[in-house]
Amino acid sequence: DIQMTQSPASLSASLGETVTIECRASEDIYSNLAWYQQKPGNSPQLLIYDANSLADGVPSRFSGSGSGTQYSLKINSLQSEDVASYFCQQYNNYPNTFGAGTKLELK
Amino acid sequence: EVQLVESGGVLVQPGRSMKLSCAASGFTFSSFPMAWVRQAPTKGLEWVATISTSGGSTYYRDSVKGRFTISRDNAKSTLYLQMDSLRSEDTATYYCTRDRDYFDYWGQGVMVTVSS
Repeated sequence: DIQMTQSPASLSASLGETVTIECRASEDIYSNLAWYQQKPGNSPQLLIYDANSLADGVPSRFSGSGSGTQYSLKINSLQSEDVASYFCQQYNNYPNTFGAGTKLELK
Repeated sequence: EVQLVESGGVLVQPGRSMKLSCAASGFTFSSFPMAWVRQAPTKGLEWVATISTSGGSTYYRDSVKGRFTISRDNAKSTLYLQMDSLRSEDTATYYCTRDRDYFDYWGQGVMVTVSS
């Protein structure tokens, strides 16, 4: 199975700040990567697919980048509603696998 | 509006069975593969199983192969997960998802607790 190593595990940031979350795959996943946001008590929501494509209805302050084994999710101008956990997922190989998650809190 | 509504979760003893259902609406159900993804309490996400549009192909993670069966009824726009020989490690919230390889829509989830 492909291992997805996500960092940091937790993050504290201020309103208006830019935040970056990283995800490293144990082998090349050819940009077959998605990012999800999960707010407390809610189900996950798709943010980004194919490494850098924004899902429908997702604010443009979210962006994804990367290739090969290294990927990142950037949140520009952090808003209070962005407090959540974030997960990456590779779908290049079965079984598709998720990172352990990054918990984002407000400073 | 796409909606996925799960039902069937409850407390069950180890070794027993349970069947989850997911009623889909707001899209052409028969045109999309569907999947179940689970999340153990305070843990991360774990793909469980996927079924093709016709139901003719199914895929499972190793830990549930031979115990879980994913199925669908396209006439009823409903997805199922039959879970047999349940173990304590199957305790989780189970989400019904639309499978585009990534998961673009998720249900609200149903809690399954396996405990004596």
